[in-house]
Amino acid sequence: DGGITQSPKYLFRKEGQNVTLSCEQNLNHDAMYWYRQDPGQGLRLIYYSQIVNDFQKGDIAEGYSVSREKKESFPLTVTSAQKNPTAFYLCASSIPGGGEKLFFGSGTQLSVL
Amino acid sequence: GQQVMQIPQYQHVQEGEDFTTYCNSSTTLSNIQWYKQRPGGHPVFLIQLVKSGEVKKQKRLTFQFGEAKKNSSLHITATQTTDVGTYFCAGRVGNQFYFGTGTSLTVIP
Repeated sequence: DGGITQSPKYLFRKEGQNVTLSCEQNLNHDAMYWYRQDPGQGLRLIYYSQIVNDFQKGDIAEGYSVSREKKESFPLTVTSAQKNPTAFYLCASSIPGGGEKLFFGSGTQLSVL
Repeated sequence: GQQVMQIPQYQHVQEGEDFTTYCNSSTTLSNIQWYKQRPGGHPVFLIQLVKSGEVKKQKRLTFQFGEAKKNSSLHITATQTTDVGTYFCAGRVGNQFYFGTGTSLTVIP
């Protein structure tokens, strides 16, 4: 089945630790996105990538980093510089060209120990 | 910065009652999409509106895009328990989607 796979489902981070969230898609989509969801808030864009080896910052990129070495993969690293990392993280993909629908993964819940 | 406001934040309705959620953008949108997120789940695409004043229907759901392309609404007629979830609008500006804060719908049987 085609889709987006996020792992792990739950992740715990210790103070000062970097953690990496995985996102893999087999939809052959060029564009991929990372969103952060906090209770009572909408989804906020962290980073997005429209093509391999290229990515742009979203509205809340500070404390996060990404890479796009393969079309299928768009991992997100939450660095120790992100002081409030507890949130639900959603990865999405779409076919670029304007107005395409987003396909979301099942998300990763990150908590701080 | 770009903002998409969505109201109400929460709505409780008796099964069979109607429900409406509204989105307002500070800037003109290229298009607007609507998503539904079930409790514990991820957002799932419902529909996209592109044209000024566009109205689309999906069974009991009616979606509207304002004439100025700055606002949109989702109306559900005769809600059912399967409608429970959070409904998000997402307005496109340039290459980015800006999501509303969502409306959490509870349907009381």
